[in-house]
Amino acid sequence: AQTVTQSQPEMSVQEAETVTLSCTYDTSESDYYLFWYKQPPSRQMILVIRQEAYKQQNATENRFSVNFQKAAKSFSLKISDSQLGDAAMYFCAYRPVTDKLIFGTGTRLQVFP
Amino acid sequence: NAGVTQTPKFRILKIGQSMTLQCTQDMNHNYMYWYRQDPGMGLKLIYYSVGAGITDKGEVPNGYNVSRSTTEDFPLRLELAAPSQTSVYFCASGRGGSSYEQYFGPGTRLTVT
Repeated sequence: AQTVTQSQPEMSVQEAETVTLSCTYDTSESDYYLFWYKQPPSRQMILVIRQEAYKQQNATENRFSVNFQKAAKSFSLKISDSQLGDAAMYFCAYRPVTDKLIFGTGTRLQVFP
Repeated sequence: NAGVTQTPKFRILKIGQSMTLQCTQDMNHNYMYWYRQDPGMGLKLIYYSVGAGITDKGEVPNGYNVSRSTTEDFPLRLELAAPSQTSVYFCASGRGGSSYEQYFGPGTRLTVT
């Protein structure tokens, strides 16, 4: 079965510092997509970043970047220069080509001034 | 362009009652999805649709029904509500295929007592 594991229920970071959220997944597929979603207290699910498994280059979006290790089935999210507005639940998600997203259980990120 | 809209935002049901959660998207997306999010958990897929007239079960379909008569609308029906259906429900839409993201609605918080 395809599963997504986020082993850190909670993380905290000081404003302007860097934090890394972990995600591992289990699959026998070779072609798939990986996503990080942010869910602030408003509950809205917001796409932060995505990675295509066939691309070796790690995706980046401004202060957000990923470390994609395909052989290790690892997909971590790095947030640089953390801001108070980054405080939220972060969900890692995996999508095989059948187009169904599979979510991890989330990591709650707290940002301290 | 409103994106994905859901109504109602909140609802309290008594055990055994029925209701329909509405979902509408104005992006002309073929794919639509219903998820539930239980406290402290990630999202789990209830049902999805790849186009008008086509629906299929996700991971947790029991106790729910869906229909897709138009591209825009994808209502979720709860029959005989049970306390186990207390959750936050998210509707999402997407173009499907490739790596296209899913766009989420704001969610409906449902409590069954």
